[in-house]
Amino acid sequence: DADVTQTPRNRITKTGKRIMLECSQTKGHDRMYWYRQDPGLGLRLIYYSFDVKDINKGEISDGYSVSRQAQAKFSLSLESAIPNQTALYFCATSDWTAWNEQFFGPGTRLTVL
Amino acid sequence: GENVEQHPSTLSVQEGDSAVIKCTYSDSASNYFPWYKQELGKGPQLIIDIRSNVGEKKDQRIAVTLNKTAKHFSLHITETQPEDSAVYFCAARGTYKYIFGTGTRLKVLA
Repeated sequence: DADVTQTPRNRITKTGKRIMLECSQTKGHDRMYWYRQDPGLGLRLIYYSFDVKDINKGEISDGYSVSRQAQAKFSLSLESAIPNQTALYFCATSDWTAWNEQFFGPGTRLTVL
Repeated sequence: GENVEQHPSTLSVQEGDSAVIKCTYSDSASNYFPWYKQELGKGPQLIIDIRSNVGEKKDQRIAVTLNKTAKHFSLHITETQPEDSAVYFCAARGTYKYIFGTGTRLKVLA
């Protein structure tokens, strides 16, 4: 079984709709991250969480919110989706050590019409 | 702000040749530099990394070099094979988070 799972894998929605993307991990890591990937722009950090009570904004948090429901679960919400939020979204996890490799989920492809 | 520049954006090589991808980072506090490989339809996967106290690291056909003074680090793939075709990302880890490069699409031509 995959260590980091994301649901859904693909989603098509309309402008103005509220959308939630979910991430679960079985690696036992404390740290979780949400990234957005756009062609030619690489991976950009939306939000990150170092434990259940710690939520931090990344470089592109506007229009997004997150919830850390448990150590293993980290959800990303788009309160009112807009077309320029069409992208590939990745969840990642890492442990607390100083040199911490990030483990990525398979991604969610979101299309906002 | 912090950023990582990655070049080239696309790279085509003949099978068996070497490939080199270069990155430059801006945050002098960065201390960990991973390289990720992303295959179609999958998330990025770590292939090699280097800490700031090391100048070079090698793992079979893959090597990474780091020049802290110049804030440069590079990925070297030797004897390329068709399965090396993918998008490669460099990243620099600062105090709490990673800054990723924009990616290099490597095509290995058979």
